[in-house]
Amino acid sequence: GDSVTQMEGPVTLSEEAFLTINCTYTATGYPSLFWYVQYPGEGLQLLLKATKADDKGSNKGFEATYRKETTSFHLEKGSVQVSDSAVYFCALEYQAGTALIFGKGTTLSVSS
Amino acid sequence: NAGVTQTPKFRVLKTGQSMTLLCAQDMNHEYMYWYRQDPGMGLRLIHYSVGEGTTAKGEVPDGYNVSRLKKQNFLLGLESAAPSQTSVYFCASSYGVRGRNVEKLFFGSGTQLSVL
Repeated sequence: GDSVTQMEGPVTLSEEAFLTINCTYTATGYPSLFWYVQYPGEGLQLLLKATKADDKGSNKGFEATYRKETTSFHLEKGSVQVSDSAVYFCALEYQAGTALIFGKGTTLSVSS
Repeated sequence: NAGVTQTPKFRVLKTGQSMTLLCAQDMNHEYMYWYRQDPGMGLRLIHYSVGEGTTAKGEVPDGYNVSRLKKQNFLLGLESAAPSQTSVYFCASSYGVRGRNVEKLFFGSGTQLSVL
């Protein structure tokens, strides 16, 4: 069945370091892909999305490119801040696009 | 604008007890969802609804029932709670239109449920 696999965390970085969080997926067809972020004590929020192959989603300095050939949607940011510390979830469309399923999440901790 | 509101925020049950979690959204969203979040397992879809009066099973539906009698409310029921259902439960909604793909989910702040 459809699934999302994320790199294991936690990821610990110093402020201004480069961030990559890997995400690969298994799905029928070409579903839309998403990154969500969860700050402590809160629900998830949409960070960015891409709806077709080679699309690049971007928001708040984060980027991810939909790679059909490698079935990947890796999240990147050139210079992380302490305020980026959170749990990041990769997600894809499920059940003909009526729902989303999520990866296990990757915890990012950024220190100053 | 309250968005997605979940009640209660915390609950402790004994094994075998029943309870209902309530989710309410004020955004006139068509689609609603229940997820559970567990350490090391991420977020898993329990049940969802694409409109009033309709529900569907997600990834982990066993042991749960749902109802969507009103468009703004989505109820999650546990008929006989088990320790394996200890989790954080999140409700979400989306401006989905039947026949079109979901674009963005709006999440509630979660319910922490412990089953002893």
